[in-house]
Amino acid sequence: DTGVSQNPRHKITKRGQNVTFRCDPISEHNRLYWYRQTLGQGPEFLTYFQNEAQLEKSRLLSDRFSAERPKGSFSTLEIQRTEQGDSAMYLCASSVQGARQYFGPGTRLTVT
Amino acid sequence: AQKITQTQPGMFVQEKEAVTLDCTYDTSDPSYGLFWYKQPSSGEMIFLIYQGSYDQQNATEGRYSLNFQKARKSANLVISASQLGDSAMYFCAMREGYTGNQFYFGTGTSLTVIP
Repeated sequence: DTGVSQNPRHKITKRGQNVTFRCDPISEHNRLYWYRQTLGQGPEFLTYFQNEAQLEKSRLLSDRFSAERPKGSFSTLEIQRTEQGDSAMYLCASSVQGARQYFGPGTRLTVT
Repeated sequence: AQKITQTQPGMFVQEKEAVTLDCTYDTSDPSYGLFWYKQPSSGEMIFLIYQGSYDQQNATEGRYSLNFQKARKSANLVISASQLGDSAMYFCAMREGYTGNQFYFGTGTSLTVIP
């Protein structure tokens, strides 16, 4: 399977803990995006990378959130000191330039 | 202002009938792309159809077609011959610019196909 993969699929954590998610994009895609989706809403843009460069960050991305794509391949999204409001589905997508985005299955985060 | 507006939170359609899901968009960029995605209960976003702002004809992909009305800034999705497996959330999305870096999504429409 050569689609976008995300790990873990589910994560339950206690408030105040740090969590890290991983996204492996389609190999030839130079763009990688992170979105957050809460129940009953559409995906909200968080940040995106072109190769290893993080080119844009949403104002939704507080200082507790950080994302990396060290070698222009896989990416990680870390949330520090999690809050209950961080509970959501975190979606990763990849694309070639502005073409259609291919989405991964998402990581569902529950903060208790 | 919302970039993408989907005004139908929920829709019902009889199996084998056609259904139209509404989407309006807001942009001042002459170059943009419009997308529809399906999200079943499993959560994965599945690409359905794409329309570029300069495309002269409405996009079609199998049972999906996009009714693109540029002057009205609408990009409605038409699903013909609905199947039970079409029951899902449907999201309209827009990319601004030819190689735009951000996609804007609507709040989605929940479609239920009734046998």
